[in-house]
Amino acid sequence: EAGVTQFPSHSVIEKGQTVTLRCDPISGHDNLYWYRRVMGKEIKFLLHFVKESKQDESGMPNNRFLAERTGGTYSTLKVQPAELEDSGVYFCASSRLWGAYNEQFFGPGTRLTVL
Amino acid sequence: DQQVKQNSPSLSVQEGRISILNCDYTNSMFDYFLWYKKYPAEGPTFLISISSIKDKNEDGRFTVFLNKSAKHLSLHIVPSQPGDSAVYFCAASYDQGGSEKLVFGKGTKLTVNP
Repeated sequence: EAGVTQFPSHSVIEKGQTVTLRCDPISGHDNLYWYRRVMGKEIKFLLHFVKESKQDESGMPNNRFLAERTGGTYSTLKVQPAELEDSGVYFCASSRLWGAYNEQFFGPGTRLTVL
Repeated sequence: DQQVKQNSPSLSVQEGRISILNCDYTNSMFDYFLWYKKYPAEGPTFLISISSIKDKNEDGRFTVFLNKSAKHLSLHIVPSQPGDSAVYFCAASYDQGGSEKLVFGKGTKLTVNP
C-alpha cells in the first residue's frame, strides 16, 4: 500500500507569487488533513477534509490560502500571493475512519521557501 | 497559548538505557494522545497512542504513560537503540464535531549514543 505522497518536495518562490502544493492520500482514506510547521515551532493544523467536504478549516491563516479536494481524492493547497511568513514545511496526512480516533499517516512534506 | 508542551528540546542517552520523553497538556478536553517520530526530511511516523480511559499502553520497547490528574504523559523507550535517534512529537486530540485534528508539541530531539 503506497503511503501519502506530496508534490513538490521543495519550492522556492518570490514574495507575491503563487504556489500550489499537492497531496495524494492513501487510497481509501476519506480523511485528509493539512498541517504546517514553521521553523522551530510546533506542527500546526490547517484544515480537514472528509471526502470532498471541508470538515474543519479553523487553522487556515487567512484568505490567501485555498484548499480543494475535488472528487474526494487528491488535494491541493494554493497560496496566492505568497508572503515571507508562509515559509515552512507543509504536511499532509490521511486517515481511514471518520468520527473515530485513529492514527493519521503523514506524507514527507513540502518545504516552501518564500524569498 | 500552547496546549501541548514538550519542555525538553533535546535528550541524549546511551544505547541500552531507558529514554523518557515528557509531554504536558493544558486542555482537559483532550482524550486521545499520540507519539510520532520524525527523521529529517521525512514526515512524522506514528509510534504509539493512548486513550484517556487508560493510564498505560505498551508496544514492544515503547510504553506510553498517561497521568490525567497531572495532565502529563511520557514515552519510555527501553532499551534505547541508535536507530531511535529522531525528533519525537507528542500530539493530542478530541472529537470536535467529527474533526480529530491533532495538536502537537514542539518536539524533543532524542540522540542515542552507541
